[in-house]
Amino acid sequence: SQTIHQWPATLVQPVGSPLSLECTVEGTSNPNLYWYRQAAGRGLQLLFYSVGIGQISSEVPQNLSASRPQDRQFILSSKKLLLSDSGFYLCAWRRTVTNEKLFFGSGTQLSVL
Amino acid sequence: DQQVKQNSPSLSVQEGRISILNCDYTNSMFDYFLWYKKYPAEGPTFLISISSIKDKNEDGRFTVFLNKSAKHLSLHIVPSQPGDSAVYFCAASEWGAQKLVFGQGTRLTINP
Repeated sequence: SQTIHQWPATLVQPVGSPLSLECTVEGTSNPNLYWYRQAAGRGLQLLFYSVGIGQISSEVPQNLSASRPQDRQFILSSKKLLLSDSGFYLCAWRRTVTNEKLFFGSGTQLSVL
Repeated sequence: DQQVKQNSPSLSVQEGRISILNCDYTNSMFDYFLWYKKYPAEGPTFLISISSIKDKNEDGRFTVFLNKSAKHLSLHIVPSQPGDSAVYFCAASEWGAQKLVFGQGTRLTINP
């Protein structure tokens, strides 16, 4: 069976510090990978998605970047965090076929102070 | 441009009654629709989906209805149970697209 791991669960970082969130998927190969963010009181906003190693699509201009160094690894990064980067970050995967559901990780609550 | 909208931020329903959550979309190219349930500090979990060739799909207590002409879908939960208290997101996708577009979510509270 497939599983998705996302860590850490919570993170408190000062403004201006770097960020690295990691997500890995097990039990499948060549998945589509996604980073979503849920800001306080808002819906799920797609930040980045990847259909293969080294292939990143950015949905929203922002202070964040994403990388996919391995088939089942997806990393969300920032060189300098802003207060507005606070939120609940979710990694997700999906099979590369049409009309498939997303499977989400457990999320990372990021507080930038 | 909010392509998927859930206009009710919250809904309160008595235990045992029917819960109806609504979702509207603007993109006529959407052809696959899903509902997710989310508890605090957890990732969303998939509930039920429907493709545009259908107008209804049932799974146990959950039924999703799709009205393509109105660009509207709804999730019915019957009977509602306390464990159903959560935030519900609807999502939509175009054929062959790589991504799902989510609504803002509706917080459902089931009262005993």
